[in-house]
Amino acid sequence: LAKTTQPISMDSYEGQEVNITCSHNNIATNDYITWYQQFPSQGPRFIIQGYKTKVTNEVASLFIPADRKSSTLSLPRVSLSDTAVYYCLGQSSTSGTYKYIFGTGTRLKVLA
Amino acid sequence: EAQVTQNPRYLITVTGKKLTVTCSQNMNHEYMSWYRQDPGLGLRQIYYSMNVEVTDKGDVPEGYKVSRKEKRNFPLILESPSPNQTSLYFCASSLPGQVSYNEQFFGPGTRLTVL
Repeated sequence: LAKTTQPISMDSYEGQEVNITCSHNNIATNDYITWYQQFPSQGPRFIIQGYKTKVTNEVASLFIPADRKSSTLSLPRVSLSDTAVYYCLGQSSTSGTYKYIFGTGTRLKVLA
Repeated sequence: EAQVTQNPRYLITVTGKKLTVTCSQNMNHEYMSWYRQDPGLGLRQIYYSMNVEVTDKGDVPEGYKVSRKEKRNFPLILESPSPNQTSLYFCASSLPGQVSYNEQFFGPGTRLTVL
């Protein structure tokens, strides 16, 4: 199960693209990378998941390079409502365990 | 509406008084889990359950118990709460084995204060 490292906080302005990078140097062959978003006083919410290359959905894009030792969550044209904590999570699909380590997350603040 | 519910949402108690936080999901999910969230420490997994009668320890299980007698319910039990268990607790559920197996659905949280 990969331990992940993220920046503690980031600031951005409305309308800008935000990229949050997560380091997972010990990622195993079967590990997927998943990102969650958490607003104050709410439970985390699934954003996106990927294994390699690029994944895109209606909310974000996820870029995973060939060596898979890092991943980047990209939020296009952020708004004030994107202010939240973003967690990168590594999880193996075949390890037989479903222990999750969320880490401390990245606190994104979007400014007007 | 598909959801995970937790009760109570807020609880203030005293050291040593046994308490139970209930968690229920209506999505027929096999996997359920409990987390605690503390400032500066992020989310830490307490216990999880792969299915009925199957539970296992997460990273911080000390001082907690769980049971999974029904698929939809996964209560968290604090037999003798202590002040260091003051925290925000989240229950989550998901369908392991599917393409989006890691898409956990979280409850609204239970804020527990142990005096």
